[in-house]
Amino acid sequence: ETGVTQTPRHLVMGMTNKKSLKCEQHLGHNAMYWYKQSAKKPLELMFVYSLEERVENNSVPSRFSPECPNSSHLFLHLHTLQPEDSALYLCASSQGVARSSDGELFFGEGSRLTVL
Amino acid sequence: RKEVEQDPGPFNVPEGATVAFNCTYSNSASQSFFWYRQDCRKEPKLLMSVYSSGNEDGRFTAQLNRASQYISLLIRDSKLSDSATYLCAVNIPGQAGTALIFGKGTTLSVSS
Repeated sequence: ETGVTQTPRHLVMGMTNKKSLKCEQHLGHNAMYWYKQSAKKPLELMFVYSLEERVENNSVPSRFSPECPNSSHLFLHLHTLQPEDSALYLCASSQGVARSSDGELFFGEGSRLTVL
Repeated sequence: RKEVEQDPGPFNVPEGATVAFNCTYSNSASQSFFWYRQDCRKEPKLLMSVYSSGNEDGRFTAQLNRASQYISLLIRDSKLSDSATYLCAVNIPGQAGTALIFGKGTTLSVSS
């Protein structure tokens, strides 16, 4: 079983749909992240959770709503998305606490989202 | 100035070549630096951390130049399997956890 698993791997949705992306980490980490990867753009940090508390919201539109019920699970709720939101959404975890300067990010395989 | 910048390439090199990538970062207070590798349609995976004194792992050498705010990755004796996108990652002080900011990546294509 991989360390960070994401579901679904692929998702196609209309602009009026509501869907959720799920991430689960099996590494005992205490920080989890959502990144967005679009073509020809760098990985964009969206949200950071440390010890289940959101500590960073990188100016992400409200149509993206994260949820972290416990240190192992992270969700990204999607509603009324736009076609430009089509991208690969990557979840990551790390053994990092606030202000830690060490630590490797472990990524899931990503959820490829297409918004029609 | 963008937080983390890389030359996107592509770098097209023959097998056995030596190739070097640079990455510049804007925040002088950054403390952690990494090189990640991302294969086509796969997630990024850590290639190596970059330490102040420089570090080497087999054919790969990473170096940090704090004065000029850049990190480098040198790949010697390139293999076909080295073909991938190499992402530079830098932590941004003030953010919790180990949130990293990534460059766009440099694409390497090694041919026989």
